[in-house]
Amino acid sequence: DTGVSQDPRHKITKRGQNVTFRCDPISEHNRLYWYRQTLGQGPEFLTYFQNEAQLEKSRLLSDRFSAERPKGSFSTLEIQRTEQGDSAMYLCASRPPLAGGNEQFFGPGTRLTVL
Amino acid sequence: SQQGEEDPQALSIQEGENATMNCSYKTSINNLQWYRQNSGRGLVHLILIRSNEREKHSGRLRVTLDTSKKSSSLLITASRAADTASYFCATDTGFQKLVFGTGTRLLVSP
Repeated sequence: DTGVSQDPRHKITKRGQNVTFRCDPISEHNRLYWYRQTLGQGPEFLTYFQNEAQLEKSRLLSDRFSAERPKGSFSTLEIQRTEQGDSAMYLCASRPPLAGGNEQFFGPGTRLTVL
Repeated sequence: SQQGEEDPQALSIQEGENATMNCSYKTSINNLQWYRQNSGRGLVHLILIRSNEREKHSGRLRVTLDTSKKSSSLLITASRAADTASYFCATDTGFQKLVFGTGTRLLVSP
């Protein structure tokens, strides 16, 4: 399968713990996005990478959140000192470099539950 | 924040019927896209309509766009049980990210 993959698919953690999620985009896609989706809502943009450069961050991305894409391939999203309000589905998407319409290809998501 | 809202929030129909869902948005756009999300899974791109287009078809899908009213509609004809999912509109305002609506939950009963 050459789609976007995310790991883990599910994560249960206790409040105050740190968690890290991984996203592997489609191989030729140089643009990578993270979104967060809470129950009953649409996805909300968190951050965007073009190759290894993080070009935009949402105000939703507090100081406890950090994202990296060190070699322009896979990306990680870390949440430090998790809070119950961080419980959500974290979605990764990628896009090829020359797509004219900004169609994004989504992974299956990582569902985070903070107890 | 969400770009806008979708209407209805939930829709229940029988197989073979048509399903129409509407999306309103707030700002000028480059294009508008529709995505489908099966329960607890990632999103799948369905169709894209550019700001200078008024209607587009893809298989059983028909999308319209009215930029003067900042609204779009998605019509699914001859619905099947497999169409049961949440449907989201997403706007591209030219700043790379997509801004999603709140979604319509569609239930198609056999």
